[in-house]
Amino acid sequence: EAAVTQSPRNKVAVTGGKVTLSCNQTNNHNNMYWYRQDTGHGLRLIHYSYGAGSTEKGDIPDGYKASRPSQENFSLILELATPSQTSVYFCASGDSANTEVFFGKGTRLTVV
Amino acid sequence: AQSVTQPDARVTVSEGASLQLRCKYSYFGTPYLFWYVQYPRQGLQLLLKYYPGDPVVQGVNGFEAEFSKSNSSFHLRKASVHWSDWAVYFCAVSEGTQVVGQLTFGRGTRLQVYA
Repeated sequence: EAAVTQSPRNKVAVTGGKVTLSCNQTNNHNNMYWYRQDTGHGLRLIHYSYGAGSTEKGDIPDGYKASRPSQENFSLILELATPSQTSVYFCASGDSANTEVFFGKGTRLTVV
Repeated sequence: AQSVTQPDARVTVSEGASLQLRCKYSYFGTPYLFWYVQYPRQGLQLLLKYYPGDPVVQGVNGFEAEFSKSNSSFHLRKASVHWSDWAVYFCAVSEGTQVVGQLTFGRGTRLQVYA
């Protein structure tokens, strides 16, 4: 069974602080993705990666950076967190054939 | 740009009744379409996927969906709903197999099942 693990599961951050959300996958998938989920918007793609060392902008990248130091790990970084970034963040991975994408359980981030 | 519309924010059905959740997409070309389910405080799980071919696709737990190019639709159906189907359902589209993880989602439909 494909496994995507996110940490932390819950996070409270202060406005202006730096936040790092981590994602680890044991599927040996090349591609990884970060989405955010907000009520009324479904999920929206923030950043994605084709492999170690690569990051690409998704549909809503402003205010976010991403880092892919290895095949297994993909981080989402908020350098200066704002209350508008309060959301649930999902990481996902998929292989090059991309027949299916597997999602983690999500990180609930609250910026106060 | 591609988009997905799920016109029903909430659907309520009785257990054992049939179900249809609606999905309309906007995409220039041949879309790759998906239905995902999200149970409370869980990630998304794939129910079924459409790659160009047979317009009716079968998924897990008795779900199926039918692709219609003329109607730009990909509606989800189930013949008999179970209480465990209570969840949020998302329709999504991608541009192709090389980028299938770059999904555009609809806003979701919350399914409530009552006895």
